Amino acid sequence: NAGVTQTPKFRVLKTGQSMTLLCAQDMNHEYMYWYRQDPGMGLRLIHYSVGEGTTAKGEVPDGYNVSRLKKQNFLLGLESAAPSQTSVYFCASRPGRGWNEQFFGPGTRLTVL
Amino acid sequence: AQSVTQLDSQVPVFEEAPVELRCNYSSSVSVYLFWYVQYPNQGLQLLLKYLSGSTLVESINGFEAEFNKSQTSFHLRKPSVHISDTAEYFCAVSRTSGGYNKLIFGAGTRLAVHP
Repeated sequence: NAGVTQTPKFRVLKTGQSMTLLCAQDMNHEYMYWYRQDPGMGLRLIHYSVGEGTTAKGEVPDGYNVSRLKKQNFLLGLESAAPSQTSVYFCASRPGRGWNEQFFGPGTRLTVL
Repeated sequence: AQSVTQLDSQVPVFEEAPVELRCNYSSSVSVYLFWYVQYPNQGLQLLLKYLSGSTLVESINGFEAEFNKSQTSFHLRKPSVHISDTAEYFCAVSRTSGGYNKLIFGAGTRLAVHP
């Protein structure tokens, strides 16, 4: 049982490049979340999903897209990266209604030059 | 809407000293409260949570937090810290109903324990 895993761990992009961050969980959780962590700002919710095939916007969705084609995977895409998207990205999952704890992945450190 | 304020961005403390990390929240609805810990270069781990019942909650490694509804606070305390407690601590809230358990985080408090 690997829990929540994120790929890649580190990435450097040039402005305007695109990339996809992969989050995978093997706990059969219904809900999945993408956060970004910036110094002095805590974690902010980008997008989330309450089940396979569903996605919704969080607090800071601009510049990002997501997909949840399979229950175990939640993809975060940057179509045209900007320096303001330099951050550490965390994925989290939660079993479903009635559960309150979110389980976090180890993070992806992204730098956009 | 909910918001979380962690009053100290950094807290330096000597080993075996007591520590309190402060957290205040604002919300127009009932909330659940959480403390997460992030060790260097790792993801977040749940430290403890308040859902209902006793207002004092404890973790397995000696931390405790008390929910104070009148002061809208959920301060984290430990009577004697270890070097290994050095980490960043995040307070978070979520609604008790609806909202899909979206967590609202504070900015974090970096606890540095010195020998």
